Amino acid sequence: NAGVTQTPKFRVLKTGQSMTLLCAQDMNHEYMYWYRQDPGMGLRLIHYSVGEGTTAKGEVPDGYNVSRLKKQNFLLGLESAAPSQTSVYFCASIKKEGQKNIQYFGAGTRLSVL
Amino acid sequence: LAKTTQPISMDSYEGQEVNITCSHNNIATNDYITWYQQFPSQGPRFIIQGYKTKVTNEVASLFIPADRKSSTLSLPRVSLSDTAVYYCLVVKGGTYKYIFGTGTRLKVLA
Repeated sequence: NAGVTQTPKFRVLKTGQSMTLLCAQDMNHEYMYWYRQDPGMGLRLIHYSVGEGTTAKGEVPDGYNVSRLKKQNFLLGLESAAPSQTSVYFCASIKKEGQKNIQYFGAGTRLSVL
Repeated sequence: LAKTTQPISMDSYEGQEVNITCSHNNIATNDYITWYQQFPSQGPRFIIQGYKTKVTNEVASLFIPADRKSSTLSLPRVSLSDTAVYYCLVVKGGTYKYIFGTGTRLKVLA
């Protein structure tokens, strides 16, 4: 059982370049999330999706776009990368059991923008 | 969403019980308290969730007093492998947004 898989694991970009981060989950979860984590900080929510074809803004959405064309995949795009977007990006899918919510995280993507 | 406050860091020795307290003064009636653990270079991992009183699972216990304005994560007999950052979250039932604070850095010493 793979759980949540993120690709790539590492990436170095130059300012202005674009890229897409892929998150895939095999648990049939409806909800998927993208976070970023800066050194010594907690996670901040970028965008999220509550189902196929839906997306919504989180706490820090500027400079990012997302798409959820298939239930199992959630893509995070950077159209024009900036050094301020250097961070570790985590994807999560959420299992809901009544009022109980459990987030399952991927291993992260380390992105450096030079 | 209720804001949480935790100690920035804690040190403990192997074999000791560790209690990490989280303050959430403006918790709402239908909010749940959830704790996650994060090791370096890994994504957070769910530890435990509760609404009131006490919840126990195979790795931890969660104590929530009657007023629910705070909660305490208890880790019995910690080992070196419990060195990690522990996050307390207050999750509103039916909401979609989750707020992670800066967490508590627990260091377990030999």
